[in-house]
Amino acid sequence: NAGVTQTPKFRVLKTGQSMTLLCAQDMNHEYMYWYRQDPGMGLRLIHYSVGEGTTAKGEVPDGYNVSRLKKQNFLLGLESAAPSQTSVYFCASSLTQGSNQPQHFGDGTRLSIL
Amino acid sequence: AQTVTQSQPEMSVQEAETVTLSCTYDTSESDYYLFWYKQPPSRQMILVIRQEAYKQQNATENRFSVNFQKAAKSFSLKISDSQLGDAAMYFCAYRSGSGNTPLVFGKGTRLSVIA
Repeated sequence: NAGVTQTPKFRVLKTGQSMTLLCAQDMNHEYMYWYRQDPGMGLRLIHYSVGEGTTAKGEVPDGYNVSRLKKQNFLLGLESAAPSQTSVYFCASSLTQGSNQPQHFGDGTRLSIL
Repeated sequence: AQTVTQSQPEMSVQEAETVTLSCTYDTSESDYYLFWYKQPPSRQMILVIRQEAYKQQNATENRFSVNFQKAAKSFSLKISDSQLGDAAMYFCAYRSGSGNTPLVFGKGTRLSVIA
């Protein structure tokens, strides 16, 4: 009963380093999302995907790239990490049909950029 | 663009009492969905309750209920018989009924439960 799994759970990077956050879901969901959560800001959408091979920009996409090569995986990449990207990152997924479908969230990744 | 506003950054409630968390939203759409999510210290995001805009009846899930006022664009969450485990961040969220659009979240309300 894994649901949405994020890897890694914690990471510390130096400015300029690159890394990829992995999100995997085993619920056969079409839609997947990446959010960042900062104090006093709530959750802000970075990128999302409405199906395998598709991606779209959210509210705060700059500095991030994503890929959805497989339906079950949604990768978030930081090409050149900046201290402003220090945050907690959440992945979520939902079914295709019906806007009443809730999003299922992973447990988050705490990322610190020094 | 739709916006969601939670005007109470922090709230507190005595154990066993009732508390209401406020949420307002701005939209020109008539078809949409509203959600309340709970985020305890474990960071996990947990769906508490959801409301379809076309339904007049307020949603209820055990001790959690909403007061949905469509004309006022208000969607408050009432927690009855508060328990220590209810302490968490609570996020209100909006989703358009047209197409599969992502959720729009409010900034959250931190709820403390006092024993």
